Amino acid sequence: DGGITQSPKYLFRKEGQNVTLSCEQNLNHDAMYWYRQDPGQGLRLIYYSQIVNDFQKGDIAEGYSVSREKKESFPLTVTSAQKNPTAFYLCASRGGETPQYFGPGTRLTVL
Amino acid sequence: ELKVEQNPLFLSMQEGKNYTIYCNYSTTSDRLYWYRQDPGKSLESLFVLLSNGAVKQEGRLMASLDTKARLSTLHITAAVHDLSATYFCAVGDNFGNEKLTFGTGTRLTIIP
Repeated sequence: DGGITQSPKYLFRKEGQNVTLSCEQNLNHDAMYWYRQDPGQGLRLIYYSQIVNDFQKGDIAEGYSVSREKKESFPLTVTSAQKNPTAFYLCASRGGETPQYFGPGTRLTVL
Repeated sequence: ELKVEQNPLFLSMQEGKNYTIYCNYSTTSDRLYWYRQDPGKSLESLFVLLSNGAVKQEGRLMASLDTKARLSTLHITAAVHDLSATYFCAVGDNFGNEKLTFGTGTRLTIIP
């Protein structure tokens, strides 16, 4: 079955640590996106990529980094520079004119 | 800067009643999306609205778009408990990269 997988489902980070969230899709979609959701709020765009080896900052990119070395993969690193990283992180992909299709999410908690 | 506002933020309604969720946005856009999110889960696409006057219906949900008023509505007919969820509208920019700006969501609770 085609879809998006995100791992891990839950992630705990100590202050000062970098952590990497995985996002893999087998939908053959060109575009991929990372969003952050805080409790009771909408989604905010962190980074997006429309093609391999290219990506752009979204609205809240500070403290985050990404790479897009393969079409299927768009990992997100939450660096120690992100001062309030506790949130629900959602990865999405899009192909052609379809709506963005979302993965199951990773819940990150800073200890 | 594109801003998207939804109202109400919270909606509690009895089964069998009708209600409407509103989504206003601040700048011109040619695409608007409605998504559903269940607690602790990801987002599920409900509707894509691409032109002025577009209307889409699925079951008890109907979405419409008025690009001149920069307004979309999600109408719920004869609500049932299974429709309890948070509903988001999202508006795309006009530059082809499909950056979405989301509203804050409407948490809908259907009371038996």
